[in-house]
Amino acid sequence: KNQVEQSPQSLIILEGKNCTLQCNYTVSPFSNLRWYKQDTGRGPVSLTIMTFSENTKSNGRYTATLDADTKQSSLHITASQLSDSASYICVVSARSWGKLQFGAGTQVVVTP
Amino acid sequence: DAGVIQSPRHEVTEMGQEVTLRCKPISGHDYLFWYRQTMMRGLELLIYFNNNVPIDDSGMPEDRFSAKMPNASFSTLKIQPSEPRDSAVYFCASSYGQGGTGELFFGEGSRLTVL
Repeated sequence: KNQVEQSPQSLIILEGKNCTLQCNYTVSPFSNLRWYKQDTGRGPVSLTIMTFSENTKSNGRYTATLDADTKQSSLHITASQLSDSASYICVVSARSWGKLQFGAGTQVVVTP
Repeated sequence: DAGVIQSPRHEVTEMGQEVTLRCKPISGHDYLFWYRQTMMRGLELLIYFNNNVPIDDSGMPEDRFSAKMPNASFSTLKIQPSEPRDSAVYFCASSYGQGGTGELFFGEGSRLTVL
């Protein structure tokens, strides 16, 4: 069973609207949680990294939250743009490079 | 810095042929990773190196897969013989720092199609 579950699997939003992606994990011990953006045909690019003590981090129009007690994270996209169309991957680290657990990703499509 | 550089970007080969994928990590990074991405299984770690030494190769599917890192600026992933089920996008990534805490930089990937 995957230790990192993302929802929804995909979503379509209108340009200019906001959306929120969810990530639930069971990875333990926990070191940090990352959100990556992967454009079609490209490699993943890091958006945010949060440690246990951080509960929110922003990168431009992207804001990630973390609740380490409930083992949940969310990625909020504000005022979406067409360039936000991509797959968003949640990755949880258990203090070892060999123990990074990847979610299956949420495919976001922003329409004009 | 040019980032992590992978080659080839696309490879189409026939079953049974040898495939070699190449990676140049970011200068100064001491960790190098090879990942495979498929629609069914997402991103999977194949192997990673620290200071050119393989640390964990438990993700390598079988003996047909091998990886080397002869120096700090170059790594290869070889599949011999290749099979159709090896078709996937292979990513190389590099980082600096221990314990999975550093920033992880991915290359653009090598899309492999085995006919």
